[in-house]
Formats: sequence, structure tokens, C-alpha cells
Amino acid sequence: ETGVTQTPRHLVMGMTNKKSLKCEQHLGHNAMYWYKQSAKKPLELMFVYNFKEQTENNSVPSRFSPECPNSSHLFLHLHTLQPEDSALYLCASSHAGVGNEQYFGPGTRLTVT
Amino acid sequence: EDQVTQSPEALRLQEGESSSLNCSYTVSGLRGLFWYRQDPGKGPEFLFTLYSAGEEKEKERLKATLTKKESFLHITAPKPEDSATYLCAVQAEKLGNKLVFGAGTILRVKS
Repeated sequence: ETGVTQTPRHLVMGMTNKKSLKCEQHLGHNAMYWYKQSAKKPLELMFVYNFKEQTENNSVPSRFSPECPNSSHLFLHLHTLQPEDSALYLCASSHAGVGNEQYFGPGTRLTVT
Repeated sequence: EDQVTQSPEALRLQEGESSSLNCSYTVSGLRGLFWYRQDPGKGPEFLFTLYSAGEEKEKERLKATLTKKESFLHITAPKPEDSATYLCAVQAEKLGNKLVFGAGTILRVKS
């Protein structure tokens, strides 16, 4: 595998379900990110991890819970979501620090019914 | 407040018809301006990073330039395969490694 991978690519879940999104980067980076992309809106940063430590929680509701067990893996645990949470969830990675480009995975298309 | 505004929202070109996309920003302490390409249903693909006013970078038919207030992505003699959404993002000193994205420009190139 190369680059940034995400699984699953598509997910349909009910409002009472619990599911997890997985991201893995093969680029030797030490920063990882979760973004939400909704139709006709700019990419919205959710969480930032630098060297496995969460350094940013962009006022995200507690029904989204991130986990970063090591610098190559990132999870987003989902529970009791709302229909408005339906979106494309993107994972990215970069070298930590300013001025470094972020590389994105293909995303998980989430639909909450 | 840090802001990134991209224009136009959508652009339709004929194959071979050159044009430019604009990204204007208001941020203090710019540390990088990034251009990405995004195809439908896929993640953004990194294109360029520009760090200081006057800097230019090129890749195939694309050329990115930067001033103190805006960046342009020039597309020379586009082909249908250049059709995509082009995203601009900035990084600022006080934001650390966070990126602030614009809403993007949807480019359609017809043959």
C-alpha cells in the first residue's frame, strides 16, 4: 500500500449504530488529520494529531471520537450520529510543523439514515 | 478572521482555452499557500506549495503564482482531463499546521 488509505470507502449507518473509520498512512509522517467535506462547503478540519497527541479539536460534537494509537494509524469512532453528519470524511497526513503539505486519503462516504 | 475566497465558483472552458483561477486570502503571518485538485468522490491531490510573494511553480499545463493578497492558478491550453475541483488552502503562523480551505473552483473543460 502507498500513500494514505481509508476504510471503509462507503458506510451507511443508522442513528443508533456505532461504527469506526480507519486511516493508515505509509508516508513516514508524524501528523494526522480528520476533515469533513459536505456538499458546497469548504473542507472542515475536525481533529489534529501531532506525534500521536491530539492538538486540535475544532468544536466537534462528542458523537465523533478520534483515536491515534501510533503515528501511522488514525481512527474516527462514530456513535448516535445525526442525518446532517452525512458527508465525505477525509483523512490526511503530513510532517508536523508549518509549511508542510498534507496528503489526503480517498475518503469514506458516510450516509446516516 | 482568517479567510480564503476562491473565484469563480465554476468555470467552463473549451479545450485549449487558457484561463486563471483566483484564491484571495486574509491571514496574518502566511506560512504557505497550497493548491489541490479533487476529482469527484476522491480525496484532494496535492499540486503546489507557495511560500512567499513572487514565487511561481509549474506542473504540466498548470502554473501557480503568489502575491501578498492572492494566488492564481493559470491553466494553459486545458484538456478535458483537467476537469476537476481546484482547492486552495493557507497555513498561518498562529494556526500551526492547520489548513484553512477555500470552497473551491469547479472546472469543466469540454472537447
